[in-house]
Amino acid sequence: AQSVAQPEDQVNVAEGNPLTVKCTYSVSGNPYLFWYVQYPNRGLQFLLKYITGDNLVKGSYGFEAEFNKSQTSFHLKKPSALVSDSALYFCAVRDRARDDYKLSFGAGTTVTVRA
Amino acid sequence: NAGVTQTPKFRILKIGQSMTLQCTQDMNHNYMYWYRQDPGMGLKLIYYSVGAGITDKGEVPNGYNVSRSTTEDFPLRLELAAPSQTSVYFCASRLGGELFFGEGSRLTVL
Repeated sequence: AQSVAQPEDQVNVAEGNPLTVKCTYSVSGNPYLFWYVQYPNRGLQFLLKYITGDNLVKGSYGFEAEFNKSQTSFHLKKPSALVSDSALYFCAVRDRARDDYKLSFGAGTTVTVRA
Repeated sequence: NAGVTQTPKFRILKIGQSMTLQCTQDMNHNYMYWYRQDPGMGLKLIYYSVGAGITDKGEVPNGYNVSRSTTEDFPLRLELAAPSQTSVYFCASRLGGELFFGEGSRLTVL
C-alpha cells in the first residue's frame, strides 16, 4: 500500500518569509514523489518530482523539495514567499515497483501568503 | 496544444439521472485518469486507462463507468446519480513522470 500525509491543513506566512509545506509518505518499496499546485477553480499543475539522485529537487516558480529517506519526508520549500504563491498544494507518491502509475495524493495544504 | 479539455465545467443533476463527463487530450498520451476531489480528502482515483481499449478501476469506481475507444477521449459515465457523487472531477493524462490535468467539472447531485 502507498499513502501520503500532509499534516497541516493550512500554512500562513508573510510575503518575503520562508515557506515550508510538509509531506510524509509510506510505500512498500522506493518512492517516486511529486508536488502539485492548484489555483482556485483550476486543475492541478506539476511543480516538481523526485525520481532518484540528488535529494534536493528544484522545480517551477522557485520551489524546491528535499527527499529524506530516513524520515520518509518530502517537504516543499520556498526561500521567499510571494502573495501569488497562495494556493492549494498536494504531495503525491507512487511506489516504483508499480507499473500502473497510480499516484496517491495527500489531502492538500492551503497556503496563504499575506502582503 | 489545448492540453486536457473537460466538459461541462458545471452541472446540476437530480438523483437518479445519468450523464457523461467528457475528457479529451491532444498530446497523444497513452495514460489517462479520472479523479474526484472532495474537500479535505485530496484526490481519489476513479478509473484509469493505459491506452485505447484498456481501462481499469481505481480506488472509488462504484457508480461510474468509462470507455476508451480512442487515444484522445476518455469519457466518464455516471449512472443513477446519487448525492455522494457531488464532487469536482478531474481528468488527467500522463507523459513520463508528470500528470497533466484538465480544469475540472463541478457536479452537484440534488
